[in-house]
Amino acid sequence: GDSVTQMEGPVTLSEEAFLTINCTYTATGYPSLFWYVQYPGEGLQLLLKATKADDKGSNKGFEATYRKETTSFHLEKGSVQVSDSAVYFCALSVGTSYDKVIFGPGTSLSVIP
Amino acid sequence: DTAVSQTPKYLVTQMGNDKSIKCEQNLGHDTMYWYKQDSKKFLKIMFSYNNKELIINETVPNRFSPKSPDKAHLNLHINSLELGDSAVYFCASSQGAPQLFFGEGSRLTVL
Repeated sequence: GDSVTQMEGPVTLSEEAFLTINCTYTATGYPSLFWYVQYPGEGLQLLLKATKADDKGSNKGFEATYRKETTSFHLEKGSVQVSDSAVYFCALSVGTSYDKVIFGPGTSLSVIP
Repeated sequence: DTAVSQTPKYLVTQMGNDKSIKCEQNLGHDTMYWYKQDSKKFLKIMFSYNNKELIINETVPNRFSPKSPDKAHLNLHINSLELGDSAVYFCASSQGAPQLFFGEGSRLTVL
C-alpha cells in the first residue's frame, strides 16, 4: 500500500545550521506530496506542497523538490531558527482520492540558540 | 475566528467511561476527518465524512462512533474507554484539494 518514510528524530541543530529532513514514499499512482509542521501544543499546518514531478514547494525559507526517480521529497532550510523547533510530517495523497492523506511518522526538530 | 475548533482540549477520565469530543469548522469545507496521534506522534486517520456521509472508516474499534449532524460538525463518541485510547485526537477539514486544516487537538487521558 501507499506509505511514507521519514528519517528518525529527534534532530537537534544550532541556530543558523542547515537542515535536511529526508522523506521517501511508496505510492501506486502519482501522488501529491506535502510537508506539514506541528508546533508544540498546536495542530498540524501545511508548510509546503508539490503536486507533480520536479515541482518545488517552498514557504518560510523551507524547500522540497518532488523527485519521482528517487521517490523522495526531502525538506531543506538553509538557516534554521529557534522558532523552527517543531515536529515535521511528510505526507502524500494519491490521484483524485483527496480524502485520504497518509502521513509519515514525523521528525522532531529542536533548534538551540 | 478559529477555522477548526475542537472541544474539549483536555479530557481525563476513568477506564470504562464514555466520552465525546466535538469539532466544528467555519471554512465551508465539505469533508471532515478524525485523526489519532499516539505518544510517538504517529498520525493515523480514523474516519472521514463528506457532506455528512461516512466515506473513510479505517480499522477502528466499534467503540468509536463518529456523527456528523451537518457538514460543519463532526463529533466523536467513544464508549467503554480503554487505556490504549489515550492519545491526542485531531479533527481536520478539506475542500476539494489535498490540503488539510487541523484543529488544535483534544488530549484524552484514560486512567
